[in-house]
Amino acid sequence: LAKTTQPISMDSYEGQEVNITCSHNNIATNDYITWYQQFPSQGPRFIIQGYKTKVTNEVASLFIPADRKSSTLSLPRVSLSDTAVYYCLVGDMISDSNYQLIWGAGTKLIIKP
Amino acid sequence: KAGVTQTPRYLIKTRGQQVTLSCSPISGHRSVSWYQQTPGQGLQFLFEYFSETQRNKGNFPGRFSGRQFSNSRSEMNVSTLELGDSALYLCASRSGGADTQYFGPGTRLTVL
Repeated sequence: LAKTTQPISMDSYEGQEVNITCSHNNIATNDYITWYQQFPSQGPRFIIQGYKTKVTNEVASLFIPADRKSSTLSLPRVSLSDTAVYYCLVGDMISDSNYQLIWGAGTKLIIKP
Repeated sequence: KAGVTQTPRYLIKTRGQQVTLSCSPISGHRSVSWYQQTPGQGLQFLFEYFSETQRNKGNFPGRFSGRQFSNSRSEMNVSTLELGDSALYLCASRSGGADTQYFGPGTRLTVL
Protein backbone atom coordinates (compact mmCIF):
# COMPACT_ATOMS: atom_id res chain seq x y z
CA LEU A 1 0.00 0.00 0.00
CA ALA A 2 1.55 3.27 -1.16
CA LYS A 3 2.24 5.73 1.60
CA THR A 4 1.97 8.72 -0.70
CA THR A 5 -0.65 10.39 -2.89
CA GLN A 6 0.25 12.65 -5.82
CA PRO A 7 -1.53 13.86 -8.95
CA ILE A 8 -1.59 11.39 -11.82
CA SER A 9 -0.55 13.99 -14.38
CA MET A 10 0.32 17.65 -14.85
CA ASP A 11 0.96 19.92 -17.83
CA SER A 12 3.08 23.03 -17.99
CA TYR A 13 5.06 25.16 -20.43
CA GLU A 14 8.72 25.74 -21.03
CA GLY A 15 10.21 28.39 -18.76
CA GLN A 16 7.55 28.02 -16.09
CA GLU A 17 8.05 26.93 -12.50
CA VAL A 18 6.34 23.61 -11.76
CA ASN A 19 5.22 22.54 -8.31
CA ILE A 20 4.19 18.94 -7.64
CA THR A 21 2.59 18.28 -4.27
CA CYS A 22 2.60 14.93 -2.53
CA SER A 23 0.49 13.89 0.46
CA HIS A 24 1.88 11.53 3.07
CA ASN A 25 -0.53 11.72 6.00
CA ASN A 26 0.91 8.70 7.80
CA ILE A 27 4.57 9.70 7.63
CA ALA A 28 6.55 8.26 10.50
CA THR A 29 9.10 10.03 12.66
CA ASN A 30 12.04 8.32 10.98
CA ASP A 31 10.77 8.73 7.42
CA TYR A 32 12.55 10.90 4.90
CA ILE A 33 10.89 12.23 1.75
CA THR A 34 12.60 11.45 -1.52
CA TRP A 35 11.79 12.42 -5.09
CA TYR A 36 12.88 10.58 -8.22
CA GLN A 37 12.53 11.33 -11.92
CA GLN A 38 12.05 8.60 -14.51
CA PHE A 39 12.20 8.71 -18.29
CA PRO A 40 10.64 5.89 -20.35
CA SER A 41 12.58 2.63 -20.23
CA GLN A 42 15.21 4.05 -17.89
CA GLY A 43 15.88 3.64 -14.19
CA PRO A 44 14.66 6.36 -11.83
CA ARG A 45 17.08 9.17 -11.14
CA PHE A 46 17.39 10.71 -7.68
CA ILE A 47 16.34 14.37 -7.58
CA ILE A 48 16.18 15.50 -3.98
CA GLN A 49 15.61 14.32 -0.42
CA GLY A 50 14.57 16.04 2.76
CA TYR A 51 13.30 15.59 6.29
CA LYS A 52 11.83 18.98 7.18
CA THR A 53 11.65 22.65 6.11
CA LYS A 54 13.31 23.39 2.77
CA VAL A 55 16.03 21.69 0.78
CA THR A 56 17.52 23.06 -2.43
CA ASN A 57 20.01 21.62 -4.87
CA GLU A 58 21.08 22.47 -8.40
CA VAL A 59 17.97 21.02 -10.03
CA ALA A 60 15.06 21.42 -7.59
CA SER A 61 13.72 22.58 -4.26
CA LEU A 62 11.73 20.58 -1.77
CA PHE A 63 9.35 22.30 0.63
CA ILE A 64 8.15 20.41 3.70
CA PRO A 65 5.72 22.04 6.16
CA ALA A 66 6.09 21.62 9.90
CA ASP A 67 3.56 18.77 10.17
CA ARG A 68 5.38 16.87 7.37
CA LYS A 69 2.08 15.50 6.05
CA SER A 70 2.82 16.81 2.59
CA SER A 71 5.73 18.03 0.51
CA THR A 72 6.14 20.02 -2.68
CA LEU A 73 8.76 19.49 -5.35
CA SER A 74 9.54 22.70 -7.18
CA LEU A 75 11.22 22.64 -10.59
CA PRO A 76 12.34 26.10 -11.69
CA ARG A 77 12.13 27.14 -15.35
CA VAL A 78 11.28 23.74 -16.81
CA SER A 79 12.29 22.66 -20.30
CA LEU A 80 10.96 20.01 -22.67
CA SER A 81 13.53 17.57 -21.28
CA ASP A 82 11.83 17.70 -17.90
CA THR A 83 8.94 15.70 -19.34
CA ALA A 84 9.02 12.57 -17.21
CA VAL A 85 7.32 10.72 -14.38
CA TYR A 86 8.10 12.07 -10.91
CA TYR A 87 7.83 9.82 -7.87
CA CYS A 88 7.42 10.93 -4.28
CA LEU A 89 8.43 8.38 -1.68
CA VAL A 90 8.66 8.22 2.06
CA GLY A 91 10.82 5.72 3.81
CA ASP A 92 12.66 4.92 6.95
CA MET A 93 16.21 6.01 6.21
CA ILE A 94 17.49 5.49 9.71
CA SER A 95 17.16 1.78 10.26
CA ASP A 96 19.20 -0.43 7.97
CA SER A 97 17.02 -3.45 8.66
CA ASN A 98 13.75 -1.68 7.96
CA TYR A 99 14.69 0.25 4.84
CA GLN A 100 11.99 -0.04 2.22
CA LEU A 101 10.54 2.58 -0.03
CA ILE A 102 6.97 2.20 -1.27
CA TRP A 103 6.49 3.48 -4.81
CA GLY A 104 3.18 4.93 -5.97
CA ALA A 105 2.10 5.57 -9.55
CA GLY A 106 3.97 8.87 -9.76
CA THR A 107 3.04 12.10 -11.53
CA LYS A 108 3.42 12.24 -15.29
CA LEU A 109 4.66 15.75 -16.07
CA ILE A 110 4.32 16.95 -19.64
CA ILE A 111 6.10 20.14 -20.66
CA LYS A 112 4.81 21.90 -23.75
CA PRO A 113 6.72 24.34 -25.97
CA LYS B 1 32.52 6.41 -9.82
CA ALA B 2 30.85 4.14 -12.31
CA GLY B 3 27.10 3.83 -11.90
CA VAL B 4 24.97 0.76 -11.38
CA THR B 5 25.22 -1.60 -14.32
CA GLN B 6 22.77 -4.28 -15.36
CA THR B 7 23.16 -7.06 -17.88
CA PRO B 8 21.71 -7.92 -20.22
CA ARG B 9 19.81 -4.79 -21.22
CA TYR B 10 17.26 -6.69 -23.29
CA LEU B 11 16.11 -10.30 -23.14
CA ILE B 12 13.48 -12.34 -24.93
CA LYS B 13 12.36 -15.65 -23.46
CA THR B 14 9.46 -18.04 -23.90
CA ARG B 15 6.98 -19.23 -21.31
CA GLY B 16 8.32 -21.90 -19.01
CA GLN B 17 11.94 -20.91 -19.41
CA GLN B 18 14.03 -19.42 -16.66
CA VAL B 19 16.15 -16.29 -16.70
CA THR B 20 19.00 -14.81 -14.68
CA LEU B 21 19.64 -11.07 -14.54
CA SER B 22 22.79 -9.49 -13.21
CA CYS B 23 23.47 -6.26 -11.34
CA SER B 24 26.76 -4.65 -10.40
CA PRO B 25 26.33 -1.95 -7.76
CA ILE B 26 28.29 1.24 -7.37
CA SER B 27 31.70 0.53 -5.88
CA GLY B 28 31.46 0.48 -2.10
CA HIS B 29 27.72 -0.05 -2.00
CA ARG B 30 26.70 -3.11 -0.03
CA SER B 31 22.95 -3.02 -0.54
CA VAL B 32 21.25 -4.10 -3.75
CA SER B 33 17.50 -3.95 -4.29
CA TRP B 34 15.48 -5.34 -7.17
CA TYR B 35 12.25 -3.94 -8.58
CA GLN B 36 9.78 -4.94 -11.27
CA GLN B 37 8.09 -2.28 -13.34
CA THR B 38 5.26 -3.04 -15.77
CA PRO B 39 3.51 -0.56 -18.09
CA GLY B 40 1.27 1.78 -16.16
CA GLN B 41 2.52 0.51 -12.81
CA GLY B 42 4.83 1.99 -10.30
CA LEU B 43 7.88 0.12 -9.21
CA GLN B 44 7.16 -3.02 -7.23
CA PHE B 45 9.77 -4.08 -4.74
CA LEU B 46 11.11 -7.61 -5.12
CA PHE B 47 13.85 -7.95 -2.53
CA GLU B 48 16.90 -6.35 -1.01
CA TYR B 49 20.27 -7.91 -0.29
CA PHE B 50 22.86 -6.55 2.09
CA SER B 51 26.20 -8.22 2.66
CA GLU B 52 25.02 -11.40 0.92
CA THR B 53 21.88 -11.71 3.06
CA GLN B 54 18.33 -11.08 1.96
CA ARG B 55 17.09 -8.37 4.28
CA ASN B 56 13.70 -7.38 2.88
CA LYS B 57 11.29 -9.14 0.57
CA GLY B 58 8.30 -7.94 -1.40
CA ASN B 59 5.12 -9.82 -2.22
CA PHE B 60 6.22 -11.95 -5.17
CA PRO B 61 5.93 -15.70 -5.70
CA GLY B 62 8.80 -18.03 -4.99
CA ARG B 63 9.62 -18.20 -8.69
CA PHE B 64 11.48 -14.96 -8.10
CA SER B 65 14.72 -15.41 -6.23
CA GLY B 66 18.00 -13.65 -5.84
CA ARG B 67 21.42 -13.78 -4.35
CA GLN B 68 24.34 -11.52 -3.64
CA PHE B 69 27.99 -12.32 -3.90
CA SER B 70 30.87 -11.27 -1.67
CA ASN B 71 31.76 -8.48 -4.10
CA SER B 72 28.19 -7.14 -3.71
CA ARG B 73 27.20 -8.08 -7.25
CA SER B 74 23.70 -9.51 -7.32
CA GLU B 75 21.72 -11.82 -9.53
CA MET B 76 17.99 -12.27 -9.82
CA ASN B 77 16.44 -15.46 -11.15
CA VAL B 78 12.94 -16.05 -12.41
CA SER B 79 11.94 -19.64 -13.03
CA THR B 80 9.03 -20.98 -15.08
CA LEU B 81 8.46 -17.68 -16.83
CA GLU B 82 4.91 -16.46 -17.41
CA LEU B 83 3.66 -13.87 -19.91
CA GLY B 84 2.97 -11.53 -17.00
CA ASP B 85 6.64 -11.50 -16.08
CA SER B 86 7.34 -9.25 -19.05
CA ALA B 87 8.61 -6.07 -17.45
CA LEU B 88 11.50 -3.72 -16.86
CA TYR B 89 13.59 -5.12 -14.03
CA LEU B 90 15.51 -2.50 -12.13
CA CYS B 91 18.35 -2.83 -9.71
CA ALA B 92 19.32 -0.15 -7.21
CA SER B 93 22.27 0.11 -4.88
CA ARG B 94 23.08 2.13 -1.80
CA SER B 95 25.80 2.08 0.75
CA GLY B 96 23.46 1.52 3.67
CA GLY B 97 21.94 3.50 6.47
CA ALA B 98 20.57 6.92 5.63
CA ASP B 99 21.56 6.80 1.99
CA THR B 100 19.94 7.28 -1.39
CA GLN B 101 19.23 4.47 -3.80
CA TYR B 102 20.88 4.75 -7.21
CA PHE B 103 19.29 2.86 -10.06
CA GLY B 104 20.71 1.04 -13.02
CA PRO B 105 19.31 1.32 -16.56
CA GLY B 106 17.22 -1.82 -16.18
CA THR B 107 16.79 -5.07 -18.07
CA ARG B 108 13.81 -5.24 -20.40
CA LEU B 109 12.46 -8.81 -20.27
CA THR B 110 9.92 -9.94 -22.83
CA VAL B 111 8.23 -13.31 -22.37
CA LEU B 112 6.59 -14.78 -25.48
